[in-house]
Amino acid sequence: GEDVEQSLFLSVREGDSSVINCTYTDSSSTYLYWYKQEPGAGLQLLTYIFSNMDMKQDQRLTVLLNKKDKHLSLRIADTQTGDSAIYFCAEKGGNNRKLIWGLGTSLAVNP
Amino acid sequence: DAGITQSPRYKITETGRQVTLMCHQTWSHSYMFWYRQDLGHGLRLIYYSAAADITDKGEVPDGYVVSRSKTENFPLTLESATRSQTSVYFCASSESTVSTSNQPQHFGDGTRLSIL
Repeated sequence: GEDVEQSLFLSVREGDSSVINCTYTDSSSTYLYWYKQEPGAGLQLLTYIFSNMDMKQDQRLTVLLNKKDKHLSLRIADTQTGDSAIYFCAEKGGNNRKLIWGLGTSLAVNP
Repeated sequence: DAGITQSPRYKITETGRQVTLMCHQTWSHSYMFWYRQDLGHGLRLIYYSAAADITDKGEVPDGYVVSRSKTENFPLTLESATRSQTSVYFCASSESTVSTSNQPQHFGDGTRLSIL
């Protein structure tokens, strides 16, 4: 079945760039999403990319999609302590009504 | 305010009791979802609903019951709670899940449920 994988932890220094990676298996994916979850809160949609795009930039966030390798990344420029959270990758397949979720990457930003 | 709200935010109950978690959205979204979040398992879909009176099982439906008599409400009931159902429960909604349209899911703040 479809699967989405992410590394579980990432630690960066404040001011550096963070890159969170995600791989997926569904070749019919249409949209891919990044969600952020702060402690004690729900999931907040950060950004998304349509499968026919390679890149999308939104302020400090850059999403790169390599459809051939089924690899998605989220780059956060000038990472701040407020960016500390869990980041979830999710994909929506062509025939799938539901999102397929990764387990989340916990980002720790050190001062 | 428009949005999706879950209640209660925190709940402690005992094994064998029935407990209902509420979810209410004001967007008139067609689709609603219930997830549980557990360490090491990420988000797992319990049930979802495409419209009023239409519900379907997700990955982990056993021990749960849902109903959707009105578009805006999607309650989740644990008929006889077990310790393994201790978790954080999230409700989400989206306009539709047509594959060619971008319809992300929007989440509530969650209910933290402990079963003793």
